[in-house]
Amino acid sequence: GAVVSQHPSRVICKSGTSVKIECRSLDFQATTMFWYRQFPKQSLMLMATSNEGSKATYEQGVEKDKFLINHASLTLSTLTVTSAHPEDSSFYICSARAGEGRYNEQFFGPGTRLTVL
Amino acid sequence: GDSVTQMEGPVTLSEEAFLTINCTYTATGYPSLFWYVQYPGEGLQLLLKATKADDKGSNKGFEATYRKETTSFHLEKGSVQVSDSAVYFCALDGGYNKLIFGAGTRLAVHP
Repeated sequence: GAVVSQHPSRVICKSGTSVKIECRSLDFQATTMFWYRQFPKQSLMLMATSNEGSKATYEQGVEKDKFLINHASLTLSTLTVTSAHPEDSSFYICSARAGEGRYNEQFFGPGTRLTVL
Repeated sequence: GDSVTQMEGPVTLSEEAFLTINCTYTATGYPSLFWYVQYPGEGLQLLLKATKADDKGSNKGFEATYRKETTSFHLEKGSVQVSDSAVYFCALDGGYNKLIFGAGTRLAVHP
């Protein structure tokens, strides 16, 4: 299957700083990328959907000014957590989908664990 | 709203044991249903899916049947291997690009 990478895999930062997480589709062009958040022992929750070259669509309750998403190319999307606080500590997972069809499979990255001190 | 509930783990089994991981859902209509697997250090991978009632998805010895009467999509395997140790997620297609996941069930298989 298609491969999606995330970088970094783990990051620890101080409260008030910003952190950028990259999501790359390595062997296909992703017209749509998704960002999820997972708390311990809980479901993956969709945060936002991004399409290349356009603004991301955020789920209800997700602060778009805090979680900045940029989908600048067909192989790269970035999530920036701005002014991070301890409550932002979580596991962030991206996925990428090729093609326009809603039934096209999503391919997931391995996730990034963010710890805010 | 739509939701997925799956059995809590961890599930610990001996090699060659029978596996069942329960999954039930709440949804409007009849969404497509999925099982994803996450091996250590890797991303979620689609294991199997079913798109309508009574469909059976199968892959790598795993099976799940879409039961609309019980709103369930239980994952089964007749004989597990150590290499099946992973976290398993049940999910449904919530429409508008949205996958709705269960909390995940960790499976540990020992020799």
